[in-house]
Amino acid sequence: AQSVTQLGSHVSVSEGALVLLRCNYSSSVPPYLFWYVQYPNQGLQLLLKYTTGATLVKGINGFEAEFKKSETSFHLTKPSAHMSDAAEYFCAVSDPGYQKVTFGTGTKLQVIP
Amino acid sequence: NAGVTQTPKFRVLKTGQSMTLLCAQDMNHEYMYWYRQDPGMGLRLIHYSVGEGTTAKGEVPDGYNVSRLKKQNFLLGLESAAPSQTSVYFCASSYTGHPNEKLFFGSGTQLSVL
Repeated sequence: AQSVTQLGSHVSVSEGALVLLRCNYSSSVPPYLFWYVQYPNQGLQLLLKYTTGATLVKGINGFEAEFKKSETSFHLTKPSAHMSDAAEYFCAVSDPGYQKVTFGTGTKLQVIP
Repeated sequence: NAGVTQTPKFRVLKTGQSMTLLCAQDMNHEYMYWYRQDPGMGLRLIHYSVGEGTTAKGEVPDGYNVSRLKKQNFLLGLESAAPSQTSVYFCASSYTGHPNEKLFFGSGTQLSVL
């Protein structure tokens, strides 16, 4: 069975500071990994995904994530937070042979001016 | 450029009432999904469909029914609403359902059951 753990339901950073949102997964096979973002009163939209190949994945709005197999992690980072980054972020995993995506519980990012 | 459209956006029900949530997509996607989102629990899959005329249970299907009579529409029904069904409901779709494919989400329906 696959599962996702997001450490920290709420994260606060100052504008211009580094954003680090943590995600660990469990999967019996090499997984596909995703980060989705949800802005207030909107549906989720894809930030980035890892399927195969390069382990450092770049997404929209300056976000990136690195797949670390040895640590079973897929942490999301952004060098400099912007006020518009305030949202809820969801890590998700799917197995190649399993047509179902499992979502983490989400991390709400607050950006302090 | 509508994408995935959900109606209604908000609804308040009394315990025991019934209702149907409508999801429509204009991207010719084969796969459609209904999720519920609850605080601290992320998104949980209720039901999904791999094509017109098909439906399947997700991880939390009890108390819900679905239908996919047309490829572009996926309906979620609550026959007898309960307070435990107070949640935000999201519809999503994908073209082939491949595990590495991104999901397209609607903007959600906020349902309160009193």
